[in-house]
Amino acid sequence: EVQLVESGGGVVRPGGSLRLSCAASGFTFDDYGMSWVRQAPGKGLEWVSGINWNGGSTGYADSVKGRFTISRDNAKNSLYLQMNSLRAEDTALYHCARDYCTNGVCYTWVFAYWGQGTLVTVSS
Amino acid sequence: DIQMTQSPSSLSASVGDRVTITCRASQGISNYLAWYQQKPGKVPKLLIYAASTLQSGVPSRFSGSGSGTDFTLTISSLQPEDVATYYCQKYNSAPPAFGPGTKVDIK
Repeated sequence: EVQLVESGGGVVRPGGSLRLSCAASGFTFDDYGMSWVRQAPGKGLEWVSGINWNGGSTGYADSVKGRFTISRDNAKNSLYLQMNSLRAEDTALYHCARDYCTNGVCYTWVFAYWGQGTLVTVSS
Repeated sequence: DIQMTQSPSSLSASVGDRVTITCRASQGISNYLAWYQQKPGKVPKLLIYAASTLQSGVPSRFSGSGSGTDFTLTISSLQPEDVATYYCQKYNSAPPAFGPGTKVDIK
């Protein structure tokens, strides 16, 4: 069974930093691209960042570019998001999500598996 | 960046009604479109990808159509368990983007 379990969220002051982690199990982690998707309270879904299977290609939403860094450790089956210079508008539930593959075809940025999320609150 | 819009933002329909949600991309995205269902307090569930391909296990009352800039999600016979917010998402190029969502409830 595919499992994605996020951790590392919490309350942080504006300008502060947090590092989120996502522990993956139930599949071959280094076969898949991964992403972080966030949802502010009562709001819609926003893709934050993504990384390909070996970490050689990464992407970021304009809203976090230059402040957030995505990485992965395939030996530890783990995905990370380093968040610096946090702002109030970064307050959200952060989900890790896995690219979808079926019948030998992988769909980058299509998400069939999501973690339950870790809550980040940026407040003074 | 390509922007995604959805209409309506919310709707209320009776059990058994046919429900249609529209999603529009600001530029053509071929068929690189997915639909998700999110029930309150739950993570999003993938319903449809490649604009019209039903994800395994999704009831056949859900269907998707469209290509280019205009897409639709149709629920052929609304059921009480379909109460949720529905999001479209384009994935043809970075950054992938979600629509603002359509909230569906029962009249």
